[in-house]
Order: sequence, then structure tokens, then C-alpha cells
Amino acid sequence: DVKVTQSSRYLVKRTGEKVFLECVQDMDHENMFWYRQDPGLGLRLIYFSYDVKMKEKGDIPEGYSVSREKKERFSLILESASTNQTSMYLCASSPPRGGFEKLFFGSGTQLSVL
Amino acid sequence: DQQVKQNSPSLSVQEGRISILNCDYTNSMFDYFLWYKKYPAEGPTFLISISSIKDKNEDGRFTVFLNKSAKHLSLHIVPSQPGDSAVYFCAASERGSNYKLTFGKGTLLTVNP
Repeated sequence: DVKVTQSSRYLVKRTGEKVFLECVQDMDHENMFWYRQDPGLGLRLIYFSYDVKMKEKGDIPEGYSVSREKKERFSLILESASTNQTSMYLCASSPPRGGFEKLFFGSGTQLSVL
Repeated sequence: DQQVKQNSPSLSVQEGRISILNCDYTNSMFDYFLWYKKYPAEGPTFLISISSIKDKNEDGRFTVFLNKSAKHLSLHIVPSQPGDSAVYFCAASERGSNYKLTFGKGTLLTVNP
């Protein structure tokens, strides 16, 4: 089974802090994604990466950056956390063409920015 | 503008009955559709999918129907079980967009014993 592991289940940070959310997958998937889930808004794509050192903006990239130095690891960075970034963050991975649509998600990180 | 719409935030059904979850889309370039299920404190898991060249796909108790002319798809669960209680997300991918899924807001299904 594919395993996508997010480093923290819960995080509490202060406004203005730099926050790192880490995600690791063990199935050698090329594609990795960061989504956030908010009540009434569903899942919204922040950033995705289809290869090491490659990244593309999703629908809501403002206030975020990402890093993919190794194939198995995809990090989401909040440069200066704000209260409107309080959310559930979900990392996902998928294989290349022929299966890319079927995302495998981690369990999520609930981030609270105070 | 929301391209994938799930207009029912919640649905409640009795165990053993049929659950029907609906999803509408506006982007005619979408050519592949998926349903994900999410339990509290867990990430979403893939449930079932359908290509735009089909109008029905079945997997056990789960069937997805696609009506391209109406830009509408539905997920049928028969018979519904209490363990099916979860949030269900409809998602779509666009022809030529190899990596990106667009999700709806989700529908909370509650199956009562």
C-alpha cells in the first residue's frame, strides 16, 4: 500500500512565524500535491510538483512556497503565517500518466495560527 | 467560479436504502471524474472513477453515472451501510491537464442504523 506521511498531525503557530509542513511518500511517485481543506470550501490546490525541483502553482498559492529536493519529499512553507492560513493541510501523491488522477492522501496536518 | 459543484452539503439515509450523491460541473474540458471518501481525522481515499467515454461505472455497492449533456454525475450506494458515513468529494480532471484535480465542496453522508 502507498503510504503518504505528514510529519505533524497538529501544529499551533504564532502569526508571523515561518512554518514548514513536511510530507514523505514511499511509492516512488513523480507527482506530489498540497491541498488545504476548509469547511464549506472543499479541497483547494495550493501547489503541486511533477518532478524533483519542479513546481507549479495551484489555485491558491499566495502566502505559500514549496520545496522538492528529493523525489519522496515535498515541503510546504508558510513564509509568514497568518490567521487566515489556519486550516487542514493535506499532502497527496500520484503516479505518472495512466494513474495520475488517483491521488493518495496523507492523514493531514491541522494547523492553527494564533 | 466553482467548476465542480456539490449542492447538497449533507444527506441522511437509512441503513439498507440507496444513497444518491450528486455533482455538477461547468467545464466542458473535464474528461475524467472521481469520487473520494473522507472520514474524520483521515485523508481522502479514492472510491470510484469514470471516464467521459462511459456513462456508468460499477464497483460493488458503488455506481457512478455520468450525464455529459447535463454535465452531471451521481454516485449511488446500494445498500447503504453505517460505515459509509463520511464526506464524499466529487473531483474532475481536465483534458490535457495531467496533474490537477478540481474538487467539489463535499457532501456529508450519514447512514442511520
